[in-house]
Amino acid sequence: AIQLTQSPSSLSPSVGDRVTITCRASQGISSALAWYQKKPGKAPKLLIYHASSLESGVPSRFSGSGSGTDFTLTISSLQPEDFATYYCQQFNSYPVTFGGGTKVEIK
Amino acid sequence: QVQLVQSGPEVKKPGASVKVSCKASGYTFISYGISWVRQAPGQGLEWMGWISNYNGNTNYAQNLQDRVTMTTDTSTNTAYMELRSLRSDDSAVYYCARGPHCSGGTCYSQYFDYWGQGTLVTVSS
Repeated sequence: AIQLTQSPSSLSPSVGDRVTITCRASQGISSALAWYQKKPGKAPKLLIYHASSLESGVPSRFSGSGSGTDFTLTISSLQPEDFATYYCQQFNSYPVTFGGGTKVEIK
Repeated sequence: QVQLVQSGPEVKKPGASVKVSCKASGYTFISYGISWVRQAPGQGLEWMGWISNYNGNTNYAQNLQDRVTMTTDTSTNTAYMELRSLRSDDSAVYYCARGPHCSGGTCYSQYFDYWGQGTLVTVSS
């Protein structure tokens, strides 16, 4: 199974900060990567698919980049509603796998 | 609008089975598979498997394939996930999600754009 390693596991930025989360795959997955936002008690929300395509309705401050084994989710200016846990997910091959998550906490 | 509505919370004893339903609306049911993802308390997201609503084909996570069965009823646009021989570490919130997209029996790009609200399954003696 392809392993996804996210870093950092947590961070405490301030509102307005630029936030970057990385996701490294144990083998090449082309652009078959998605990013989700997860808040407690809520279902995950798709943010990015195919590594860099913004899901409809998602604010443009979210962006994704990368291909192969190294990927990045960037929030250009963190808003209060962005405090959550973020997960990457690969769909290049079965089994589908998720990264361990990055918790973005209020500073 | 696309909606996935799941059945309610369940409390089960170890060794029992649980069956969670996921009723879809707002889109062509057979054009997408339904996947199942769970999250144990304090843990990350775990993919369990998926079912094609087009032909009923399934693909299960290896660690669950002996205990899980996913089915679909195209007459009611409802997918089901049954997990047997429950253990305490099966306690989790179980989500259904739409994906992958399927066309003419070929399914691809298994990311999940719509999710159910989640079903809490508690396994306790």
